This record gives sequence, C-alpha cells and structure tokens, in this order.
Amino acid sequence: NAGVTQTPKFRILKIGQSMTLQCTQDMNHNYMYWYRQDPGMGLKLIYYSVGAGITDKGEVPNGYNVSRSTTEDFPLRLELAAPSQTSVYFCASSLQGAGTEAFFGQGTRLTVV
Amino acid sequence: KQEVTQIPAALSVPEGENLVLNCSFTDSAIYNLQWFRQDPGKGLTSLLLIQSSQREQTSGRLNASLDKSSGRSTLYIAASQPGDSATYLCAVRSTEGAGSYQLTFGKGTKLSVIP
Repeated sequence: NAGVTQTPKFRILKIGQSMTLQCTQDMNHNYMYWYRQDPGMGLKLIYYSVGAGITDKGEVPNGYNVSRSTTEDFPLRLELAAPSQTSVYFCASSLQGAGTEAFFGQGTRLTVV
Repeated sequence: KQEVTQIPAALSVPEGENLVLNCSFTDSAIYNLQWFRQDPGKGLTSLLLIQSSQREQTSGRLNASLDKSSGRSTLYIAASQPGDSATYLCAVRSTEGAGSYQLTFGKGTKLSVIP
C-alpha cells in the first residue's frame, strides 16, 4: 500500500550543485505533479504530466526540469541549485485530471546553502 | 486566476468542541474541491473530495460542504480531539485552461486542540 513515494526525505545542497528528486507511484495513475511549499505560502505547481512522455510547465517552473519515461516515475531535476529553491517539495498523482482525487507523497525538504 | 483563501489562519479550541474551518475561492468554475490534513514535517493526507455537483461529503467526524455559486466551502469537525491538531488545507481544481491540470491551494488553517 505504498501510494506515492518520494526520495530523499531531506537533502542539503551547495549553490550550483545539481540533484534529482525521485517520485514513484504504484496506483497506475496517469497524472503526476510536482509542487513546492514555502513557509506561509500555499503550494505552487512546478510541473505536471498527463501521461508517459508528456510534461508541461506549471506556475513556477524556472530552475527545474522533469521527465516522464514511465507511468510510475516522475523525477524532478534541479540543475544549478540556488538559495531560492530552498523549500519542501511534494510529488502527487491522480488517476485523471478533472474530478479525481489527488494523492501526495511525504515530501522532500531541500536546503540550498 | 483562481485564488483560494482560508480563514482563520490559526485556531485553538478546547477538546470536545465542534469547529468549522472556512475556505473561499474566487472562480466558481471548478471541477472539485479537496480538503487535506498536513501534520508538521509530513505530507498531505486527503480527507474529503467534493465534486462540483455535490453539496457535501462526510467521513466519520468530518463533514465538508460546498456552495459553488458563492465560492465557499466549510470543513466541520465534530467533537474535536488533540489528535486533530494539524494544518488543514483546502484546494480547488478549476475548469478553465491550465487550471484543470492543477490544484490551487489555500495557505491553510493551523488547528490546535487543547486537552
């Protein structure tokens, strides 16, 4: 009963370093999302995918890249980490878009120093 | 652009009290509204999903209502318990354009239930 799994849970990066946040879901959901949550702010959509091979930008995509080679996996790539990317990152999935329930992972807390 | 507001930002109540959390949204063209619970340092747990055609949904001590035309939803928690202490988030999925692919979130209400 795994649902949406994110790794790692915590990470500290230095400015300019790169990393990939991993996300996998075992519910055979078509839609997957990446959000970031900053203190005192609502969650903001970074990227989303409506199926394998299809991705699109959300509200705050700058500094990030994604890929969706399989239904299960949706990794988020940070190429040149900046302090502004210090945040908590959440991956989510839903069976479809409209009308379906979204399920979230436990989050990755990233600090860029 | 859809905007979601949750009032109050924080709420403290004694154990056993019934309480209401409020959520308002600016664009009534929505597919659904979802309430989540977030514990400190944890992910989001889905509590209730209300479709735009529904007026309310119930799960145990939780009852969520939706008035789409006025852009409002409430989450009612009966007989509150200390274990209900968490941040409650409201999110809507809009029908317009790219908004249909995302949930727009409020900033949440932080609930503390005092034993």
